[in-house]
Amino acid sequence: AQTVTQSQPEMSVQEAETVTLSCTYDTSESDYYLFWYKQPPSRQMILVIRQEAYKQQNATENRFSVNFQKAAKSFSLKISDSQLGDAAMYFCAYRTLIQGAQKLVFGQGTRLTINP
Amino acid sequence: DTEVTQTPKHLVMGMTNKKSLKCEQHMGHRAMYWYKQKAKKPPELMFVYSYEKLSINESVPSRFSPECPNSSLLNLHLHALQPEDSALYLCASSRAPSGTENIQYFGAGTRLSVL
Repeated sequence: AQTVTQSQPEMSVQEAETVTLSCTYDTSESDYYLFWYKQPPSRQMILVIRQEAYKQQNATENRFSVNFQKAAKSFSLKISDSQLGDAAMYFCAYRTLIQGAQKLVFGQGTRLTINP
Repeated sequence: DTEVTQTPKHLVMGMTNKKSLKCEQHMGHRAMYWYKQKAKKPPELMFVYSYEKLSINESVPSRFSPECPNSSLLNLHLHALQPEDSALYLCASSRAPSGTENIQYFGAGTRLSVL
């Protein structure tokens, strides 16, 4: 079974600085998708960024980028120019397929605090 | 528009009550999901509906009964719940059950308290 590990329960960063959140996963599949979601106090899970395993190029979305190391099974998220609105719980997720339907397996999450 | 709407936002129920949670999306998505999230924990998948048919049931107790009346609507019927069922219940949808159209969009959840 696939597992996702986020080893940093909490992180904090000064506003405008850069922070990196770590995620490792375990799988025997060769083709898969990885995601970072954020969950602010409003509770809604919001997609931050997606990476397809067969693509070697790291995904980027504005201030958010990933460092995808397939051989090491590592998928870290870098947030540049941190803003107060980035404060949230961040979940790394692995997509697997069961009976033709997708299942997201989430890590335990990292709570990110932005200090003004 | 990537909106998934869940009602109610909060629900308090007794162990003998019957209640339902509702989830709606109008994005034309054909896969819908129910997740349960306990405090300070990640979401855990409960059910997946693909093209209005139940595809995945993650061994959820029968006191939780999902229903997908049409492609836009997903219900979760609750009966004889236990206090440990208190949690945030999240609904999500995706354009397709698998493949590249696989981004799941989440609603804001229903906070359920069982007394």
